[in-house]
Amino acid sequence: DIQMTQSPSSLSASVGDRVTITCRAGQSISTYLNWYQQKPGKAPKLLIYTASSLQSGVPSRFVGSGSGTDFTLTITSLQPEDFATYYCQQTYGTPSGTFGQGTRLEIK
Amino acid sequence: QLQLQESGPGLVKPSETLSLTCTVSGDSISGSSYYWGWIRQPPGKGLEWIGSNDYSGSTYYNPSLKSRVTMSVDTSKNQFSLKLKSVTAADTAMYHCVRQAPGGYVGYWGQGTLVTVSS
Repeated sequence: DIQMTQSPSSLSASVGDRVTITCRAGQSISTYLNWYQQKPGKAPKLLIYTASSLQSGVPSRFVGSGSGTDFTLTITSLQPEDFATYYCQQTYGTPSGTFGQGTRLEIK
Repeated sequence: QLQLQESGPGLVKPSETLSLTCTVSGDSISGSSYYWGWIRQPPGKGLEWIGSNDYSGSTYYNPSLKSRVTMSVDTSKNQFSLKLKSVTAADTAMYHCVRQAPGGYVGYWGQGTLVTVSS
């Protein structure tokens, strides 16, 4: 199993802030890295796939980058609707895929 | 518009078998290049990939669950199913059926069904 480590596990930020979440893979996964947003009581929503491709309909303030073992999700200007939990997922061994433990983004 | 809907018992006794079905509408399972899978989330915890089927019925399981999981596809009903045997309280979770793109990422999720393991 490829382990995925997200950091931080939680953070507080304000509307308009620039926020970065990091995900590190236990081995190189090329760009097989995806990001999801989950709000309470809802299924996760795909934001970014293959490290940097923006899913259709997702605002451009969500930016993914990285390759190999280190990846980041940046929200360039936080909006009220962005407060949620974010998960990274590696799919190097498609269709299998392990998730990071999640990052809870809260309002400061 | 693709929709996935889970169905099955919400309560399962310890040591018994959890059985869930996902009904797909808006796409055909057969002949599709997508994977059809299951992901679970224990209350207040993170996400765990359980396994996936491809259109031909080939199965791929999480190694940590492989000994207890069976997945299958019924193309005539456009459904796929999950069976997890010998369940314990640790298997209590929201179970989502999903469609995964060829790259593995999940583009579509079912709303999920909560399965509680309790006597």
